[in-house]
Amino acid sequence: DAKTTQPPSMDCAEGRAANLPCNHSTISGNEYVYWYRQIHSQGPQYIIHGLKNNETNEMASLIITEDRKSSTLILPHATLRDTAVYYCIVRENPGEKLTFGTGTRLTIIP
Amino acid sequence: DTGVSQDPRHKITKRGQNVTFRCDPISEHNRLYWYRQTLGQGPEFLTYFQNEAQLEKSRLLSDRFSAERPKGSFSTLEIQRTEQGDSAMYLCASSPGHRISGNTIYFGEGSWLTVV
Repeated sequence: DAKTTQPPSMDCAEGRAANLPCNHSTISGNEYVYWYRQIHSQGPQYIIHGLKNNETNEMASLIITEDRKSSTLILPHATLRDTAVYYCIVRENPGEKLTFGTGTRLTIIP
Repeated sequence: DTGVSQDPRHKITKRGQNVTFRCDPISEHNRLYWYRQTLGQGPEFLTYFQNEAQLEKSRLLSDRFSAERPKGSFSTLEIQRTEQGDSAMYLCASSPGHRISGNTIYFGEGSWLTVV
């Protein structure tokens, strides 16, 4: 079973920051938070992952709360191509397979 | 950039026929995963390999399903006596499989199966 809880859907205006929340209240100390997204009919695309500290790459930023029970994925300037289902996954690294939930369907509105 | 490659991308088959999907992982990735995804659901884990060894199989992988990775490089997923319930997208993924290079899993574009 997925260890995360995400809202089923969200809208965001094009050009604005999209903030996608994720709850993972049962996360253990050696588990990472991973984010993937899936654009319609394509395979999941890796976005970012983190353990304790906030992380940033060319795609997004990941903010993890100090108690690690929740996190937020931030897409700083959303474009129409960011419309996708976003999955937040808790995973022990390395070794474990990814267990997907149902994710958040993010729609970017022109 | 050579990502995870899957073939065929689309397959339509009659119920009762056998189908085989092939996956070529990213070069030098030791771990290879198979997932299945039906409409409206997230991907579901089927099985994974460390090199040529199949280390874990989901209970979703019925005896009609078999996966192989004979030389630790490409993998095949065969479905025998297909049923309409097998209609789904079959995803392959790979990862380096060791701590130094990290273990991020990268997915292919999937193989769509329609059983009629």
